[in-house]
Amino acid sequence: DQQVKQNSPSLSVQEGRISILNCDYTNSMFDYFLWYKKYPAEGPTFLISISSIKDKNEDGRFTVFLNKSAKHLSLHIVPSQPGDSAVYFCAARKDSNYQLIWGAGTKLIIKP
Amino acid sequence: SQTIHQWPATLVQPVGSPLSLECTVEGTSNPNLYWYRQAAGRGLQLLFYSVGIGQISSEVPQNLSASRPQDRQFILSSKKLLLSDSGFYLCASGSAVTYEQYFGPGTRLTVT
Repeated sequence: DQQVKQNSPSLSVQEGRISILNCDYTNSMFDYFLWYKKYPAEGPTFLISISSIKDKNEDGRFTVFLNKSAKHLSLHIVPSQPGDSAVYFCAARKDSNYQLIWGAGTKLIIKP
Repeated sequence: SQTIHQWPATLVQPVGSPLSLECTVEGTSNPNLYWYRQAAGRGLQLLFYSVGIGQISSEVPQNLSASRPQDRQFILSSKKLLLSDSGFYLCASGSAVTYEQYFGPGTRLTVT
């Protein structure tokens, strides 16, 4: 049972344009969502998060949008830069649980 | 801020040999600790988590075990490695307050 889904295994975007990474979830009990970035052979690094009581959170070039009715969240990166090329993971936390439920990841490729 | 140390960075072991991967955490106390595995081209699979010394929860029945002998030390072990144990192993530290998890650099394990 895959509770957090990232349906696009990869995404290619021109440098300077907007990158939009999508994530869908099935469990309405999730109360907190996080995005992580991972380079090959390194551990993931935390990017940005959003509580279920909000619909938008912005940090510099990164903005996360949450649509609870659609059980969908997205990460917008604008403008996209070459260093943004990485695998991006969406994760969700279930209230009072110590675990994060992870998506399979989307590989973002920024073309020069 | 937290720093997660993992060693070794890479490891090549024959089938049937034992395994011990160590993770230590700096910059926090009483963290929740996690062991994940990432198989090639796949997402993060939670293997074990611990909310305190001597407290281990296993998520996936397998050939591996974990121990937490000290507050900021987490060890992943196996008595006899299988070929299917190959992968990228990540240690993470988190808290129930901030929700974010912080990852170490990972260990690339190849079982031959």
